[in-house]
Amino acid sequence: GQNIDQPTEMTATEGAIVQINCTYQTSGFNGLFWYQQHAGEAPTFLSYNVLDGLEEKGRFSSFLSRSKGYSYLLLKELQMKDSASYLCAPMDSNYQLIWGAGTKLIIKP
Amino acid sequence: ETGVTQTPRHLVMGMTNKKSLKCEQHLGHNAMYWYKQSAKKPLELMFVYSLEERVENNSVPSRFSPECPNSSHLFLHLHTLQPEDPALYLCASSQDLDVNTEAFFGQGTRLTVV
Repeated sequence: GQNIDQPTEMTATEGAIVQINCTYQTSGFNGLFWYQQHAGEAPTFLSYNVLDGLEEKGRFSSFLSRSKGYSYLLLKELQMKDSASYLCAPMDSNYQLIWGAGTKLIIKP
Repeated sequence: ETGVTQTPRHLVMGMTNKKSLKCEQHLGHNAMYWYKQSAKKPLELMFVYSLEERVENNSVPSRFSPECPNSSHLFLHLHTLQPEDPALYLCASSQDLDVNTEAFFGQGTRLTVV
């Protein structure tokens, strides 16, 4: 079956770095998306990886290892506004997004 | 400002009421989706439309009835709700099906059943 595993909740300090891990099993693979969702808001697109390696976009980076079924989202120089849920979503062979339950990130001053 | 607009943002319904959720996308996309988001659970895909034709229905109860009159608008008609139905209902759109492009989401309708 298809399965996504990511931590339920993480806490980090303002200005620090945090890594949110995601492991997945899907029927086929067409890349992996990360979305950010603030409470009561729409999920918004953060990153997309289809090849192995690190994609850097400002303070956010995303890594993919297809052979390990593993991805992580790295957030640097954390700000209070980064408090949100982060959703890992690989895309299967039918181009359907398979969603994790999300990681709630709490940033403390 | 999001390219996908949902109304209403909040909806309180009795179990015997009939109401509709509305979604409109201003992005020129061909695919639209309804998702259900319950607390601490993954997004559940409910319906998928491509060019106004329904292409997927993931075993959703018949009390949820979608309608896609054109490629910019999507509705979800609700009736005879059950206790497990309160959730955030999200609409999304993407350029097309069968391509690896990101989906754009509306802000959702928070459904409460009384």
